[in-house]
Amino acid sequence: GNSVTQMEGPVTLSEEAFLTINCTYTATGYPSLFWYVQYPGEGLQLLLKATKADDKGSNKGFEATYRKETTSFHLEKGSVQVSDSAVYFCALRARDNGNKLVFGAGTILRVKS
Amino acid sequence: DGGITQSPKYLFRKEGQNVTLSCEQNLNHDAMYWYRQDPGQGLRLIYYSQIVNDFQKGDIAEGYSVSREKKESFPLTVTSAQKNPTAFYLCASDSAGGLISTDTQYFGPGTRLTVL
Repeated sequence: GNSVTQMEGPVTLSEEAFLTINCTYTATGYPSLFWYVQYPGEGLQLLLKATKADDKGSNKGFEATYRKETTSFHLEKGSVQVSDSAVYFCALRARDNGNKLVFGAGTILRVKS
Repeated sequence: DGGITQSPKYLFRKEGQNVTLSCEQNLNHDAMYWYRQDPGQGLRLIYYSQIVNDFQKGDIAEGYSVSREKKESFPLTVTSAQKNPTAFYLCASDSAGGLISTDTQYFGPGTRLTVL
């Protein structure tokens, strides 16, 4: 079945450091890929998405490129801020799974000032 | 403002009691979803509904029940049959009825349920 694997956290960075959170997926079809962010005590917010191979999603300085050859969708940001501290979820959605969202376990990001 | 509201934000329940979590959306979305979130885990799908008066079980439906009498409302009941109900519950919706993989799901703020 379809699945998503994220790097384990927590990831702890200093302010202005470069961020990478790895995400790889397993899917038989051609999924759409999503990154969601969850701030403490809140629901999930869509951060960015990509719907086909080589697409790049971007928002608020975050970027991720849909790499079909490596089945990856790594999240990057050039300079993190304390306000970026949150849990980040990678997810996929594919027709062969009834278009249900399949989530990774989430990666906690902590940014120190 | 359009969005999804969930109430209450915190809920406490005694063992053996049923409890109902509210989810309302004014986005005019056809599909609505309930997820459960446990620490260190991703979200798991409990139930979903693609249209009024119809719903399907997700991956962990045992001990839960839902109804979809109105397009904007999708309440979740956690019954006494749910063996480990303490968790964070999230409601979501999307516009395409769950029929399009590119469609974005939008989430509510969540309800934290604690069984005492």
